[in-house]
Amino acid sequence: DAGVTQSPTHLIKTRGQQVTLRCSPISGHKSVSWYQQVLGQGPQFIFQYYEKEERGRGNFPDRFSARQFPNYSSELNVNALLLGDSALYLCASIKTPGLAAETQYFGPGTRLLVL
Amino acid sequence: QKEVEQNSGPLSVPEGAIASLNCTYSDRGSQSFFWYRQYSGKSPELIMSIYSNGDKEDGRFTAQLNKASQYVSLLIRDSQPSDSATYLCAVNIGSARQLTFGSGTQLTVLP
Repeated sequence: DAGVTQSPTHLIKTRGQQVTLRCSPISGHKSVSWYQQVLGQGPQFIFQYYEKEERGRGNFPDRFSARQFPNYSSELNVNALLLGDSALYLCASIKTPGLAAETQYFGPGTRLLVL
Repeated sequence: QKEVEQNSGPLSVPEGAIASLNCTYSDRGSQSFFWYRQYSGKSPELIMSIYSNGDKEDGRFTAQLNKASQYVSLLIRDSQPSDSATYLCAVNIGSARQLTFGSGTQLTVLP
């Protein structure tokens, strides 16, 4: 089975622009979480989606939004990009959320550079 | 106090030695604990999960959990140069569904 896929792998944008990142979870998994990882730090939670509904949101501004599609793939959108948005954006695939014990499997990430 | 704290490192051990990585967390209600390995420029890869007090072994890796003391550790036996990476501790804080990560410990295994 294919693992978690993310696209694009790398992206360069300028301040003020908008970006859309995409993720497809592991086959059979119905939930995705998005994390931001800046250099030298651990990943920080942005959103979790399950069955197209938002199940959790981290401490990020409204410039960040996401959605999940009927096939369980997901998009993360970031508007009005700031230099500080430069980071590795990770998508995690979860089989059935709601159980605190559920393991999350990460995709390869999208590295975003904002100039 | 950070919700999940790890010894900042970097940690260097000789090849064949035991590497010990530690993590403390703030919320006594946390139920699920994970160790991820992250090579430079790559995404985190799950190594171990642990949910009950005590030890859990998987090959050269042993995770230890002590909920009373609110710490979780990872031991790597017979360390190899290929184990050189950043190790991330992750916790489901309280009843939250998302993972809260520590800042990671960079491990270098010297040949």
